[in-house]
Amino acid sequence: KQEVTQIPAALSVPEGENLVLNCSFTDSAIYNLQWFRQDPGKGLTSLLLIQSSQREQTSGRLNASLDKSSGRSTLYIAASQPGDSATYLCAVKLFGANSKLTFGKGITLSVRP
Amino acid sequence: GAGVSQSPSNKVTEKGKDVELRCDPISGHTALYWYRQSLGQGLEFLIYFQGNSAPDKSGLPSDRFSAERTGGSVSTLTIQRTQQEDSAVYLCASSLAPLLAGAQETQYFGPGTRLLVL
Repeated sequence: KQEVTQIPAALSVPEGENLVLNCSFTDSAIYNLQWFRQDPGKGLTSLLLIQSSQREQTSGRLNASLDKSSGRSTLYIAASQPGDSATYLCAVKLFGANSKLTFGKGITLSVRP
Repeated sequence: GAGVSQSPSNKVTEKGKDVELRCDPISGHTALYWYRQSLGQGLEFLIYFQGNSAPDKSGLPSDRFSAERTGGSVSTLTIQRTQQEDSAVYLCASSLAPLLAGAQETQYFGPGTRLLVL
């Protein structure tokens, strides 16, 4: 059974800091990995999707990397801003898993002005 | 264009009552998913639709839970005889092409329905 872990559960950083959010998964036979952002009381917003054949994806100040062999992904946020404060979730999809995503519990990020 | 919409946004019900939750996916998206987010539990998969059929119902927690999708569009999640442990946020997502690589697989989520069972 695929398990997805995100540690720590919460993180507080000062504005302007570069930071890395970690995600680990137990089954390396993934089809893709997706990073989401969730604001309080809201749904999820997709940030980046990395296919199993890819090593990284970039969007603006965000960069996500994938290392299947070690079962890890990182989300790098450059020059953090208070508006980045949210919960960040990673989710993986296995081959032949009928498209369902298995989520980590998320990292709640607070960027202090 | 319009995103995934869900209704109602909030629902308070009494234990033992039935509830229906609705999801309108993005137009043209063939795949639709239901997830549940409980406090401290994280997001858990409930059911996946491809068109009107549900090839994966493995996440439904009990036979009190059922879902249907008609016309390849709107889906309804029904919870019968609600229990307090059913209290959670129920999220719906849709994607354009779940079996093709790339951005078309991205799942887009609705704002969720917050269910409270008293």
